Amino acid sequence: ELQLVESGGVLVQPGRSLRLSCAASGFTFDDYAMHWVRQAPGKGLEWVSGINWTSGRRQYADSVKGRFTISRDNAKNSLYLQMNSLRAEDTALYYCAKDIYGGASGEIDSWGQGTLVTVSS
Amino acid sequence: QSVLTQPPSVSAAPGQKVTISCSGSSSNIGKNYVSWYQQVPGTAPKFLIYDNNKRPSGTPDRFSGSKSGTSATLGITGLQTGDEADYYCGTWDSSLSAVVFGGGTKLTVL
Repeated sequence: ELQLVESGGVLVQPGRSLRLSCAASGFTFDDYAMHWVRQAPGKGLEWVSGINWTSGRRQYADSVKGRFTISRDNAKNSLYLQMNSLRAEDTALYYCAKDIYGGASGEIDSWGQGTLVTVSS
Repeated sequence: QSVLTQPPSVSAAPGQKVTISCSGSSSNIGKNYVSWYQQVPGTAPKFLIYDNNKRPSGTPDRFSGSKSGTSATLGITGLQTGDEADYYCGTWDSSLSAVVFGGGTKLTVL
């Protein structure tokens, strides 16, 4: 059974850093692109970042460009999101999500349950 | 403000049909495949439609997708109370080099 399990979400002060992790299982991780998608409380889905299967192509939403870095370790079946200079507007439930292709098409067929990041002083 | 535009809400009676529109531009819907997601509040989104009109295994054939130009539509027939959820369209935007989602449409089955 395919599983995506996020971790690392906590309450953090503005300006601080945080690293989210996603442990993947039940599929051939290094065949697929992966994404982080967030959802602020009561709001819609917002794509944050995506990475292709080889890590050769990484993309970011303008709202996080220069502050967040996506990475993956195919040997560990893991996806990461390094979040720096956090702002109140980064408060959201962060989903780890699997693309249907290796090349980051943006079509997402599987989602984790999310990890909550709260940025507040 | 979302790059893709969806109506905030739609409603219909059980057994009826409803459509949800998703409007974009030549750099996103006009050029790339559209997918649709269903999200029951408090749960993770669920994959409903991909490549504009294909159903993954597990999506009932009551759900259908279509695309014309820079707009896409999700159709749901034989509405059930269990279909009450938020529905999102999504696609790749070639100008932004980013995945974009619609703002979501809340479906109420009266």
